[in-house]
Amino acid sequence: KQEVTQIPAALSVPEGENLVLNCSFTDSAIYNLQWFRQDPGKGLTSLLLIQSSQREQTSGRLNASLDKSSGRSTLYIAASQPGDSATYLCAVVQETSGSRLTFGEGTQLTVNP
Amino acid sequence: AAGVIQSPRHLIKEKRETATLKCYPIPRHDTVYWYQQGPGQDPQFLISFYEKMQSDKGSIPDRFSAQQFSDYHSELNMSSLELGDSALYFCASSPPPRGYYGYTFGSGTRLTVV
Repeated sequence: KQEVTQIPAALSVPEGENLVLNCSFTDSAIYNLQWFRQDPGKGLTSLLLIQSSQREQTSGRLNASLDKSSGRSTLYIAASQPGDSATYLCAVVQETSGSRLTFGEGTQLTVNP
Repeated sequence: AAGVIQSPRHLIKEKRETATLKCYPIPRHDTVYWYQQGPGQDPQFLISFYEKMQSDKGSIPDRFSAQQFSDYHSELNMSSLELGDSALYFCASSPPPRGYYGYTFGSGTRLTVV
């Protein structure tokens, strides 16, 4: 059974700092990996999608990398802003899962002004 | 751009009542997924439909049922509601091929059982 772990569970940083969120998964036979952002009590906003054949994806100040063989992904946020405060979730689709997403428990990020 | 539409946004029901949640996927998305997110937890997969047929089933209680209709909208029916069913329920859709281009989630329905 696929298990997704995110470290750290919570992170508090001053504004302007660059930061890295980590995601690991136990079964490397994934189809793709997707990073989401969730504000309290709100829906999931897709940030970046990485196919299993890709190494990284970038969008603005966000960069996500994928090392499928070692079961790891990182989300890099440059020049963090208070508006980045949210919970960040990574999720994987396994090759044999029928395309369901398996989520990690998320990293709760607080960026202090 | 069109998004995944869920209704209602909020729902309050009493124990043992029935609730129906609706989801309208993005046009031309052929797969719909339902997830349940309890307080402080990550989303848990309930069930999915591909081209109006059930394609995968997760930790969905027997009291819950779902279907996808000819217009591709989906409904999650929840009967004999329990306090523990209070959660955010998300619907997501994906275009073909299944899951390859990622998922788009709706804003969710917050169900409170009292």
